[in-house]
Order: sequence, then structure tokens, then C-alpha cells
Amino acid sequence: GAVVSQHPSRVICKSGTSVKIECRSLDFQATTMFWYRQFPKQSLMLMATSNEGSKATYEQGVEKDKFLINHASLTLSTLTVTSAHPEDSSFYICSAREGISEKLFFGSGTQLSVL
Amino acid sequence: GENVEQHPSTLSVQEGDSAVIKCTYSDSASNYFPWYKQELGKRPQLIIDIRSNVGEKKDQRIAVTLNKTAKHFSLHITETQPEDSAVYFCAASIAQAGTALIFGKGTTLSVSS
Repeated sequence: GAVVSQHPSRVICKSGTSVKIECRSLDFQATTMFWYRQFPKQSLMLMATSNEGSKATYEQGVEKDKFLINHASLTLSTLTVTSAHPEDSSFYICSAREGISEKLFFGSGTQLSVL
Repeated sequence: GENVEQHPSTLSVQEGDSAVIKCTYSDSASNYFPWYKQELGKRPQLIIDIRSNVGEKKDQRIAVTLNKTAKHFSLHITETQPEDSAVYFCAASIAQAGTALIFGKGTTLSVSS
């Protein structure tokens, strides 16, 4: 199946700093990538849909100025958590579909801990 | 938008028993229903999926059934093993490139030996 790579896998940062998470489709082109957030023992909540060459579409309740998404190429989407605070601590995971396939492939996730 | 409900939230079975997890969805336009298994701190892994033109699909010990009229689908695991212990998520979407999956809240399955 398709491979989605996500880095870093774990990051610890101080409150007020910004953190960038990268998501790459390694063997296919992804015009659309999806960012999810998962709190401990909870479900995956869709944050935003990242579209190559255009603005991301954010779900209701997700602050677009807080969670900056850039999808500059067909293989790379980045999520930047700006001015991170402890409540932003979570597992962030990206995903993408390969071509017209309905199957969604996930990155390995990033565990963000904000002190 | 789509809303997916999943039950039960926790399920404990003895090794060798069967486990059933049920989900309902709200958007009649959804036509793709995957199931994922997630171990702690890891990415969800697709274990089986079904499209709306099929009523049932089986892969070894795992099967999924879909009732499109009632808008519900179920995961069946037979002959459970301790390594089946994990969190299972159902999801639903319209199967097209720009559409995300909407997930249920998850079921924590514990298989005791």
C-alpha cells in the first residue's frame, strides 16, 4: 500500500513556541491530505483538509490562525502549531488517499507535549 | 455532515470467543466504510473495508456487514486471540479524493487468555 511519512514522531516544547509537523506521501502524489487530532483514549477528530496549492479547509471549532497548514507540493503538507500551550498537547496524525482509491493511509503520528 | 456512532466503547471477551462491534452513520451519501485497529501510540491500521454495493465481506477471522437501509455496519471477529486486543475504530465517508473519513469513538477490545 501507499506510504505516508510523518515527522517528528515526538516533540516536547515550551509553552509559547511554535512546532512544525511534516507529512509526506512517499510513493504517490496526494492533492489532498487530512490532519487529525487524537486525545488520549479518544477518537480521531478531523481538524482540516489540506489542498495542494490552495487554502486548507478547517473543521468547525479549529482555529486556522493557531493551526497553520501549508500544502506546497503534491507530496508534502505541513501543520504548524503556533504559540503552543499545554492544552494543545495531543497526538497529531496526517493521512492521504492515493489517486482515486478510497483507502486512507496514515502517517505514524506526532505526539506533541507542551510544557 | 456525517456523524458516526460506535458501540460498545469497551468489550472484554475470552480467547476463542467472538467479538462484535456496531456502528451507525447519518449521511446516506456515504458509500465507504473501513475499520481500523490502533495500538497505543501508533497509527491506525486498516483491517477491512466495505463499499455500499456489498452487504458483507470476509477476510479470515474478520468480517464486516453493512445494512445500507438502516445505515449501520458491524465488525465481527471470530476465534479471538490476545493479539486482537486493541482499539478498533469504524469510519464512514464518500469515497472520493477530497473527502475525509469520519470516525466513530472507538471500541477498546480486551481478549483474555
